Amino acid sequence: EIVLTQSPGTLSLSPGERATLSCRPSQSLSSNYLAWYQQKPGQAPRLLIYDASRRATGIPDRFSGSGSGTDFTLTIRRLEPEDSAVYYCQHYDNSPLTFGGGTKVEIK
Amino acid sequence: EVRLVQSRAEVKKPGESLMISCETSGYSFSSYWIAWVRQMPGKGLEWMGVIYPGDSDTRYSPSFQGQVTISADRFGNTAYLEWSSLKTSDSAMYYCARPMGSDMLAGHYYFDSWGQGTLVTVSS
Repeated sequence: EIVLTQSPGTLSLSPGERATLSCRPSQSLSSNYLAWYQQKPGQAPRLLIYDASRRATGIPDRFSGSGSGTDFTLTIRRLEPEDSAVYYCQHYDNSPLTFGGGTKVEIK
Repeated sequence: EVRLVQSRAEVKKPGESLMISCETSGYSFSSYWIAWVRQMPGKGLEWMGVIYPGDSDTRYSPSFQGQVTISADRFGNTAYLEWSSLKTSDSAMYYCARPMGSDMLAGHYYFDSWGQGTLVTVSS
């Protein structure tokens, strides 16, 4: 089973700043099969990024994904108050697919 | 518009049985897999398993194999998650979600649509 380690645990930033979230799989992903989700309190997760760098439908271009192998990054440019949420990565390289532990983004 | 609407919150006692549902609309239910994901209180997301309503092919995470049963009614466009004997440790939010990807059988999928979640509380 691939373990996904997300860091930092919590990120506290001001509006307009850039957030950089990390996701590191315990083994290399063969085909960039990595997705990112946003989950706000009391809501279901929402798909942001799939295939490591492709934005899902309706996701603003402030959100971008990059990386390969064992090092993936979600970048949120120009943070807005509505970006306050927990962000999860998920691999789908093989079964069982797993999620990371999440990074909480707080907007000051 | 793809919609996944889940059944209401449940409060049960240990040892009781339970089935929760996920009614879908806006797409061809029989042609897409559908999955269940657990989120324990204050914790992260865990993939439980997935079913293809067209032929009821079902795959479980090793962590949930034998603990729950996933089923689907392709004529009612509804997926189900069932427990025969609940434990207090089953208390969690459960989401249904639609997988999308290049190869479902190989596990190459992410989740593009989610239900609103069903909160299950198991307490004596």
